[in-house]
Order: sequence, then structure tokens, then C-alpha cells
Amino acid sequence: AQSVAQPEDQVNVAEGNPLTVKCTYSVSGNPYLFWYVQYPNRGLQFLLKYITGDNLVKGSYGFEAEFNKSQTSFHLKKPSALVSDSALYFCAVRDIRTGNNRKLIWGLGTSLAVNP
Amino acid sequence: EAGVVQSPRYKIIEKKQPVAFWCNPISGHNTLYWYRQNLGQGPELLIRYENEEAVDDSQLPKDRFSAERLKGVDSTLKIQPAELGDSAVYLCASSLGLKGGTDTQYFGPGTRLTVL
Repeated sequence: AQSVAQPEDQVNVAEGNPLTVKCTYSVSGNPYLFWYVQYPNRGLQFLLKYITGDNLVKGSYGFEAEFNKSQTSFHLKKPSALVSDSALYFCAVRDIRTGNNRKLIWGLGTSLAVNP
Repeated sequence: EAGVVQSPRYKIIEKKQPVAFWCNPISGHNTLYWYRQNLGQGPELLIRYENEEAVDDSQLPKDRFSAERLKGVDSTLKIQPAELGDSAVYLCASSLGLKGGTDTQYFGPGTRLTVL
């Protein structure tokens, strides 16, 4: 069965330090992978996606993510965290074999708190 | 470019009352999605439209929920009658509808429904 896991409910990091939000996936075929961020009382905002090509994907607001096929992971990273990065982060995957049905499988989210 | 527009942003109703949510997708986006998001969870797909056709409504509780997308642009999601368990954030998203499913879903701000 297709699934996405975000193993940490919450991540705390000091401002200026690097941050990592973890995501692992399980699909039958090759994956399309997405990261979204949700600020309080706001909708989901697209950060970045991996479709094919370079395993390191750069996205909005200085975020990047690395696709690791052997570890079935797609961790979100940022070299230097800002207090304004505090939000809820969601990882999602779409199985390439069923790409046309456009259905995303979502993780449960990770709450990131960046402390000043 | 305008994003996905939803209204209202907030709605409070008593149980057994009807409620409707409206969504205007990004111009040129053929695919429209309605999601429900409960507190602390990821989005749950309710229905997906390709133009005016509902192509995936397997998760839509059809006894009380209905949706339409006349003319393949705006969409309305209705609940009648509402139940206490319907309290959630209802998100609308849209995407280009690229063949192969590589397209990105862009979300509106959501409607927070509270059923008393």
C-alpha cells in the first residue's frame, strides 16, 4: 500500500541553525514527491517537488529537499532557520504509475517551531 | 496571478442546517479538488474534477455532501444536513491537469466550518 510517514510530530530548532523535517515514503513504482507548508489559519502552500532528475531540489523560501531512492526518503532542509519558518509541514507522494489519477498520499504533518 | 479563491473563510452553523462553500480556481487550471482537513491531520480528498466532470468522488459522503462544477470553472461544495463531525477546514485546490500527473496542486485559504 502507498504511504507517507513523517516520523516526527514536532521539530524544535534555534533560529540560525539548520533544520531538517523528515519524510519517508512507500510506493510500488517511482514517486512524485511534494512538500507543502501551512501557516496558522492559512491554506497549504507549495514549497517544492521532485519529479525526476537531480536528487537535490530547491524550492521556495530557501528550502531544499533531497530525494534518496535507496532510503525512500525526501527530507526537507534549510541551512539557517528563521522564526517565520514556524509552521506545519506536509510531505505528499504520488505513485508515478498512477500519476494520471493525480491522487496525493499525505503525511500527518510535522510542526516546526523555530525559537529566537 | 490570482491564487485559488474560496469563500466564506469562516462559517458557524447549527447541526442539521445546510452550508455551501465556493471555490474559484486559478485561471487555466482544468483540475479542481475539494479536501477536508481535520485539526492536526493532513488533507483528505473528497472529490476531484477534470473540467466539469467529477472523476474521483469515492471519498465524498454522498448521503449529505454534494458538489458541482458548472462550466468547468467555479465549484460549489454543499453539506445538507450538517453534522457535528463535519467541523473541519474545507480546502479547494486546482492544478493544470498535466498528462502524467506531474502537475502541482495549489490551495486556497480554506473555509473553517464549525457545526454547533
